[in-house]
Amino acid sequence: AQTVTQSQPEMSVQEAETVTLSCTYDTSENNYYLFWYKQPPSRQMILVIRQEAYKQQNATENRFSVNFQKAAKSFSLKISDSQLGDTAMYFCAFMKLEEYGNKLVFGAGTILRVKS
Amino acid sequence: NAGVTQTPKFRILKIGQSMTLQCTQDMNHNYMYWYRQDPGMGLKLIYYSVGAGITDKGEVPNGYNVSRSTTEDFPLRLELAAPSQTSVYFCASSYPLQSGANVLTFGAGSRLTVL
Repeated sequence: AQTVTQSQPEMSVQEAETVTLSCTYDTSENNYYLFWYKQPPSRQMILVIRQEAYKQQNATENRFSVNFQKAAKSFSLKISDSQLGDTAMYFCAFMKLEEYGNKLVFGAGTILRVKS
Repeated sequence: NAGVTQTPKFRILKIGQSMTLQCTQDMNHNYMYWYRQDPGMGLKLIYYSVGAGITDKGEVPNGYNVSRSTTEDFPLRLELAAPSQTSVYFCASSYPLQSGANVLTFGAGSRLTVL
């Protein structure tokens, strides 16, 4: 079974600065997807960024980028120019490429607080 | 463009009561899921469905039942509610991974408290 570990329960960053959230995972699979989801106080789950394991190039979405290290099974999220609206719980998630159901396995989450 | 709609948003139950959380999606997604999120924790999969008439257990299915009679609806039934079922429940849906669209769309969540 796959597991996802987020070792930082809470992080804080000053507005406009850069912060990196860590995520490691354990799998014997070769084909899979990795995701970062954001959950603001509204509770809504919002996709931030995704990475296909077969792609060596790190995914980027505006101020959000990942550092995907497949051999090390590491998938960190970098948020540049942090904004107050980035304050949220961030979840790292793993999805195996399989025939029957696209099941996400989540980490425990990291609470990020952006301070003004 | 409603997406995934869950009802109710909040509910308080007494121990031993039963209830159904409703979930409807209007995106014609084949796959649907129920997750629960305990305080300070990640989401854990309760049940999932790959199409009408097909359901399967996830990581934490005990105490729950589901059905999928239509593509749109995927209700979650709690029988004999227990305090351990106090949680926030999320319904989600997606296309099959093989279609290239592997992103889950989540509902807004339903907060359930069992006293």
